[in-house]
Amino acid sequence: ELKVEQNPLFLSMQEGKNYTIYCNYSTTSDRLYWYRQDPGKSLESLFVLLSNGAVKQEGRLMASLDTKARLSTLHITAAVHDLSATYFCAARIGGGATNKLIFGTGTLLAVQP
Amino acid sequence: NAGVTQTPKFRVLKTGQSMTLLCAQDMNHEYMYWYRQDPGMGLRLIHYSVGEGTTAKGEVPDGYNVSRLKKQNFLLGLESAAPSQTSVYFCASSYRFGSRGYEQYFGPGTRLTVT
Repeated sequence: ELKVEQNPLFLSMQEGKNYTIYCNYSTTSDRLYWYRQDPGKSLESLFVLLSNGAVKQEGRLMASLDTKARLSTLHITAAVHDLSATYFCAARIGGGATNKLIFGTGTLLAVQP
Repeated sequence: NAGVTQTPKFRVLKTGQSMTLLCAQDMNHEYMYWYRQDPGMGLRLIHYSVGEGTTAKGEVPDGYNVSRLKKQNFLLGLESAAPSQTSVYFCASSYRFGSRGYEQYFGPGTRLTVT
């Protein structure tokens, strides 16, 4: 059974600092997704990582995937207040005609001025 | 292009009442999903569909039923609501193929309270 764990669950950081959110998954998965959720809002797709060693960057966020270690990271560079949100990773289970995702519990990021 | 829409946005039910949540997408996606989100638990898959007329159970299907009579719509039913079904419900859809690797697009959510 695929389980996805994120840490930390809560992250309070100062503007301008760097930090990394970790996403571990327990069994083989070929795709890893990162989503952002603002309070009371829906989920917004950030990154889709399709292969080992994949790295994607958008602004101050960079995501990477190591399928051998079953680990994905979301690195935040020089945080700004606008990045405050909850970040979820999700791993795909099964192949072919299922495409089910298992989500981590989320990391609540609070960027303090 | 409205993307994924959900109806209603909010609902309060009494224990034992029934209701149906409607999800609609205009992106011609093959796959559709229903999730529930509870504090500290992330999103959990209730049911999903890989095409019109087909549905399957997810992680937490008990107490829910679904139907997908049309490709663009996915309905989630609660036959006899219980307080444990108080949650925020999200619908999502995705292509079967594509360069974004089955990326799921989410609706705005329905906040359901069962008293």
